[in-house]
Amino acid sequence: EVQLVESGGGLVKPGGSLRLSCAASGFTFSDYSMNWVRQAPGKGLEWVSSISSSSSFIYYADSVKGRFTISRDNAKNSLYLQMNSLRAEDTAVYYCARGDPSDSWGQGTLVTVSS
Amino acid sequence: DIQMTQSPSSLSASVGDSVTITCRASQSISSYLNWYQQKPGKAPKLLIYAASSLQSGVPSRFSGSGSGTDFTLTISSLQPEDFATYFCQQSYSTRYTFGQGTKLDIK
Repeated sequence: EVQLVESGGGLVKPGGSLRLSCAASGFTFSDYSMNWVRQAPGKGLEWVSSISSSSSFIYYADSVKGRFTISRDNAKNSLYLQMNSLRAEDTAVYYCARGDPSDSWGQGTLVTVSS
Repeated sequence: DIQMTQSPSSLSASVGDSVTITCRASQSISSYLNWYQQKPGKAPKLLIYAASSLQSGVPSRFSGSGSGTDFTLTISSLQPEDFATYFCQQSYSTRYTFGQGTKLDIK
């Protein structure tokens, strides 16, 4: 069974940093591109970043470019999102999602940016 | 970035009804269009990919059509579990974008 489990969310002050992780199991992680998608409270889905299976290709939404860094460790079956210079508008549930199209999603981890 | 516009933003229907949700892209995206269903407090679920291909395990009452800039998701014979929010997503560009969502609730 495919499983994606996010962790690392929490409360952080504006300007702070946080690192999210997504642990994958039940499939060959290194065969798939991976994505981060976020959802602000009561709002729609916003694509954040994608990384190809071998990390050769990385893409970011304009809203996070220069502040967030996506990475993966295929040996550890893990996906990461390093978030720096956090703003109130980054407050959201962050989901990791497998592939294009995204056929499996984690349960999400809540990031709250507030003083 | 490619903008995705869904209509309507909300929709009320009854069990057994058939409903159609529309998604329009700001430029041609060929058939690189996916549909997701999301229930409150849950992660999105893939329903349709490549505009019209049904994801494994998804009931056949869900169908998708379209190409270029205009796409539709149709749910025939609504079931109680279908009341949810639906999102379209383009994957033509590597900078994926979602529509704003359509909330389907019970009339």
